[in-house]
Amino acid sequence: AAGVIQSPRHLIKEKRETATLKCYPIPRHDTVYWYQQGPGQDPQFLISFYEKMQSDKGSIPDRFSAQQFSDYHSELNMSSLELGDSALYFCASSFWESGANVLTFGAGSRLTVL
Amino acid sequence: GEDVEQSLFLSVREGDSSVINCTYTDSSSTYLYWYKQEPGAGLQLLTYIFSNMDMKQDQRLTVLLNKKDKHLSLRIADTQTGDSAIYFCAERSNTGKLIFGQGTTLQVKP
Repeated sequence: AAGVIQSPRHLIKEKRETATLKCYPIPRHDTVYWYQQGPGQDPQFLISFYEKMQSDKGSIPDRFSAQQFSDYHSELNMSSLELGDSALYFCASSFWESGANVLTFGAGSRLTVL
Repeated sequence: GEDVEQSLFLSVREGDSSVINCTYTDSSSTYLYWYKQEPGAGLQLLTYIFSNMDMKQDQRLTVLLNKKDKHLSLRIADTQTGDSAIYFCAERSNTGKLIFGQGTTLQVKP
């Protein structure tokens, strides 16, 4: 079965640089979620999109932005990177009207800021 | 507000049962979930329970829900070394996002 695809899997950037993470949801899923997981931490919700519109916003820094495109893939753009942005970034997708709205997670993108 | 609490660590012997506990605060949560995360890997859904149920069994996994006390538990029968991982409890908010607990590290000793 198709899963959530994230790219790149690993990314190394310098402070103050910009990074873009991509997420391709499961076909026919209409909702995408982004989470950030620091070392030894639980995943923290950043932002979500339903049918290409932002549906919820969490603790996402102003330096970060995201969007969902017409083909339902999503991108998380991170600018002016800081050391504290080093984390695993997960994308998840779901089909909102499925009742349980089970979120299926991708394998994650590991960002290291030097 | 929404908050989910879990104990941080559990150690069991192979073949024993493991019970991981979780408390949540949002009484309007309709679904509660258990995810498993192995080192450096993604979050794998184990099971979920609808809030009008008090128990759900799926092979070696049993989920118990006490809605009055807002307490959720995951029991793993016949725990194996391959079950060693971090287990996250999560509640669903009304916007669909999941709020995760801190995760319980399960260590299974041979």
